[in-house]
Amino acid sequence: DIVMTQSPDSLAVSLGERATINCKSSQSVLYSSNNKNYLAWYQQKPGQPPKLLIYWASTRESGVPDRFSGSGSGTDFTLTISSLQAEDVAVYSCQQYYNTPATFGQGTKLEIK
Amino acid sequence: QVQLVQSGAEVKKPGASVKVSCKASGYTFTAYYIYWVRQAPGQGLEWMGWINPNSGGTNYAQNFQGRVTMTRDTAISTAYMELSRLRSDDTAVYYCAREGEGATHPYNWFVPWGQGTLVTVSS
Repeated sequence: DIVMTQSPDSLAVSLGERATINCKSSQSVLYSSNNKNYLAWYQQKPGQPPKLLIYWASTRESGVPDRFSGSGSGTDFTLTISSLQAEDVAVYSCQQYYNTPATFGQGTKLEIK
Repeated sequence: QVQLVQSGAEVKKPGASVKVSCKASGYTFTAYYIYWVRQAPGQGLEWMGWINPNSGGTNYAQNFQGRVTMTRDTAISTAYMELSRLRSDDTAVYYCAREGEGATHPYNWFVPWGQGTLVTVSS
């Protein structure tokens, strides 16, 4: 199975500042035939299910604010929140869908400083 | 709107079985695979497997082989996940989720998700 490792485990950022979360896969999730990275990002607030933010590493899901962006390729990926809002407090997880079983990172808890 | 609604919380004793339901609405139930993912307290997400609502075909994660059974009832647009021989470390929130639009099974993201069903295993 592909192991997904996120860093940091937790992060505190001031309102209006940038938040950056990293995700590393144990093998490349870039499929060469279509040049797509098989990686998604989710946001999970307490007591709620995960909410899809980004797929194909950088494609924002419909309705997701444009302050959320994804980047990276191969084995190293980043989720960036350009200007942190109070409602962004949550746990963020990455997921690879290059191989079955799909696997997830351990999650990064984002808080307000 | 596309929605998955799961059954309520369960408390089970070790060795028992639990069956969680996931009712779909807002789309053609047989057109999209349903996945099951669980999350133990304070832990990350764990993929359990999928069911093809059209054919009934299934694929289970190796960790659950022999203990999990996924089924569906197309007449009521509902998928089920049954886990047997429960242990204390099966205590978790169990989610159903649909494959994302535009994805190609089984290489896909998950949206939407059900609200989750807490299964507590305790003697």
